[in-house]
Amino acid sequence: GQNIDQPTEMTATEGAIVQINCTYQTSGFNGLFWYQQHAGEAPTFLSYNVLDGLEEKGRFSSFLSRSKGYSYLLLKELQMKDSASYLCAVARGQGNLIFGKGTKLSVKP
Amino acid sequence: SAVISQKPSRDICQRGTSLTIQCQVDSQVTMMFWYRQQPGQSLTLIATANQGSEATYESGFVIDKFPISRPNLTFSTLTVSNMSPEDSSIYLCSVVPGYTEAFFGQGTRLTVV
Repeated sequence: GQNIDQPTEMTATEGAIVQINCTYQTSGFNGLFWYQQHAGEAPTFLSYNVLDGLEEKGRFSSFLSRSKGYSYLLLKELQMKDSASYLCAVARGQGNLIFGKGTKLSVKP
Repeated sequence: SAVISQKPSRDICQRGTSLTIQCQVDSQVTMMFWYRQQPGQSLTLIATANQGSEATYESGFVIDKFPISRPNLTFSTLTVSNMSPEDSSIYLCSVVPGYTEAFFGQGTRLTVV
């Protein structure tokens, strides 16, 4: 079966750091994506991990442990515009993605 | 990278009718993917569209309800047939060239009344 879990909602303060966790159990694994989605808009790509370890890209970092079926997205120096839903998605072979239910992040002043 | 033009961006339809959504990609891709995002929910894969063969549907989705065309490597359509209010969702097409980044169309916001 396919199971991807992430917290439903999180709240953090502007300027702080927040970590959004994702655990997965899927048949087939060809990498893990993180997407940001603002209300009413299409998802936008944040990161892709296929090997274990940390990938850093500006204020955003993503970590993967394949043996543990675990990933996290780390957002530093939070800004109000980071308030959005963050979607964890596992790529099966051939590019189709299985999405988690998304984590709604609220950044407060 | 890839740029996807999806239309219509939104529509309000009567129950029992059908709506066809189009996606045009600016480059040739082997597969195109169709997703549904119900209100307040995440994305659910409907089907994978391959050029020259029938689409592959995920569990819970059938060809009679969501027929798909893929006439060439840059274009695909998804039809939502015999619509009911439960079909009110955002529908998105996606491509994954190189398998390291998925690109999405802007979505079609469908309301069935």
